[in-house]
Amino acid sequence: DAGVIQSPRHEVTEMGQEVTLRCKPISGHDYLFWYRQTMMRGLELLIYFNNNVPIDDSGMPEDRFSAKMPNASFSTLKIQPSEPRDSAVYFCASKVVNEQFFGPGTRLTVL
Amino acid sequence: GIQVEQSPPDLILQEGANSTLRCNFSDSVNNLQWFHQNPWGQLINLFYIPSGTKQNGRLSATTVATERYSLLYISSSQTTDSGVYFCAGSNSNSGYALNFGKGTSLLVTP
Repeated sequence: DAGVIQSPRHEVTEMGQEVTLRCKPISGHDYLFWYRQTMMRGLELLIYFNNNVPIDDSGMPEDRFSAKMPNASFSTLKIQPSEPRDSAVYFCASKVVNEQFFGPGTRLTVL
Repeated sequence: GIQVEQSPPDLILQEGANSTLRCNFSDSVNNLQWFHQNPWGQLINLFYIPSGTKQNGRLSATTVATERYSLLYISSSQTTDSGVYFCAGSNSNSGYALNFGKGTSLLVTP
């Protein structure tokens, strides 16, 4: 069984550029989560979806961040324009019932 | 949200030693997970344990839900156990998103 798939695994971009991170949840999972990990703030929730509908986006830092889930097998997290303080590892996770499973993460560096 | 406190923050062990990691929660949780973040950054599921005790090989975990804490036991540690161990929890008030502790950084030396 394939786990949560994220792409790209690494992204280096310049300040002001648009960045799109992608996630494919585990088939059959009805919840999808986006988390961000930084040294300063640790692991924190950005947004999560249930059945493709955003439920809680209170963790999204500001309007520069947006997330979509057009269908049950795909989600995107977009940052436009990107800033150096957005540099972090972005994780996608999915679950059905209780236990969450995490993807390998995307390491984003904004220069 | 739920505050999660992990201890100790850092731990150095010699191969073969045993250890206990602790996680305290500021509120009751009905969803609790332990993860191992390996040196490559991947978050590996160890246990889903909102209550009770579970064992998986050299690892075991116990959650005392009424007292809002969980323990992770590592026995006969190996160098491959090195990494950061996180606990995370949620409840019906906080929604389904996990609230993470800051982790315990473990280094097992040969």
